[in-house]
Parts: sequence; structure tokens; C-alpha cells
Amino acid sequence: SAVISQKPSRDICQRGTSLTIQCQVDSQVTMMFWYRQQPGQSLTLIATANQGSEATYESGFVIDKFPISRPNLTFSTLTVSNMSPEDSSIYLCSVNRGNTEAFFGQGTRLTVV
Amino acid sequence: KNEVEQSPQNLTAQEGEFITINCSYSVGISALHWLQQHPGGGIVSLFMLSSGKKKHGRLIATINIQEKHSSLHITASHPRDSAVYICAVETSGSRLTFGEGTQLTVNP
Repeated sequence: SAVISQKPSRDICQRGTSLTIQCQVDSQVTMMFWYRQQPGQSLTLIATANQGSEATYESGFVIDKFPISRPNLTFSTLTVSNMSPEDSSIYLCSVNRGNTEAFFGQGTRLTVV
Repeated sequence: KNEVEQSPQNLTAQEGEFITINCSYSVGISALHWLQQHPGGGIVSLFMLSSGKKKHGRLIATINIQEKHSSLHITASHPRDSAVYICAVETSGSRLTFGEGTQLTVNP
């Protein structure tokens, strides 16, 4: 199993600012996933964070907007840069070792005003 | 068409009722996950299936690989079961693709 501590749990931010979300896993994992869940919608993969290499971004998401760090096998950060109200969402990190149970952080509920 | 389709989108039940949520998918998968999301946003894994059937307490999950279909059943439903239930399929590279979710409300 894996326990993921994600913070902050929620934040209200001014447009134009940036917010960094942290996820700490209690065991080493190769891949960590960052998801966005816009209001009333399902989860969408932003990027896959691999330790020791650049994150792999999905179509529609770019590194300048969502820079990711993965300094070691238990920690990752996602930054939401130059925020606008359209970035208001729940952001979640997840680990999934492949054909095993998926584990999620508690989520960060972001509101941009 | 979404790769993962869930039905129904919304479901209201009375306490004690038997509940079924369905999930159909159109891609090749290595596994299927059923997840539960509470209003705060946190997500909990209920099941991971690659074949057959699994049971945990009042929850049962089945999958038919040939028909690309899975169901989540809740027996003797309770108000604390009220949540969003999400079906997600695992494809290459351990990536998950999610259904839209089913909002379940169980009334006392």
C-alpha cells in the first residue's frame, strides 16, 4: 500500500499568482501522476512525473503553466503558474504501480479569484 | 465518444436498496479500478480488477473482459455510501482514464 500526504488541502489565490502543491509518499515509487478535476467533471491527467527525468505532459498541458519537480522517489510538486479563474479545480496526485491498487492524495481544492 | 462510459450519472436510493453502477470501455486495458470520491475531494480505491469478481464487505465488483463491461454493486445501501463512484481503466504505462462518475445519494 501507499499513503500520500498532499498539501495544501485548499487555497484561494489571486489571479496572476502561482501555487505549488506538494505530495509526499510513504514509500518509493517510480511514477507519480498529477490530475486536474474541473468542477462537475472527471479527472484529467496533467502529467506523469518520473524521478530523474523531465515530466511527460498530456496534450493541452505545458511545462510553463504546470512545472513539476520530482527530486526523489517519494516526493513531487506541481506548480500552477500565472493563475486565472479557469484554473479553479481540484488537483490530485496519485501513484499506481501497475496492475495494483491506485492511491491518491487528499486533493487540493484551488479557487482563483 | 468517451473511452470510459458510466451509467447512471446520478442515482438516488433509499437506505437498504441494492445498487448497481455500470461501466463500459472501448480500449484495451490491463486493469479496471473502482474509486470512491467524497465531497471533500479525496479519492479512495475500492477495487482493482483484471478479471472475474471481487467482494469487500457490502461491495461487489465484476468485470467481463470480452464485453468490456464492469459493474459495481452495493448491497444493503446506507446513507454513508453517498459519494461519487468513478470507474477508471488502466492502459499502457499505468495510466488511468476515468469515467465521468456516478453521484450516489442514499436517503435514510
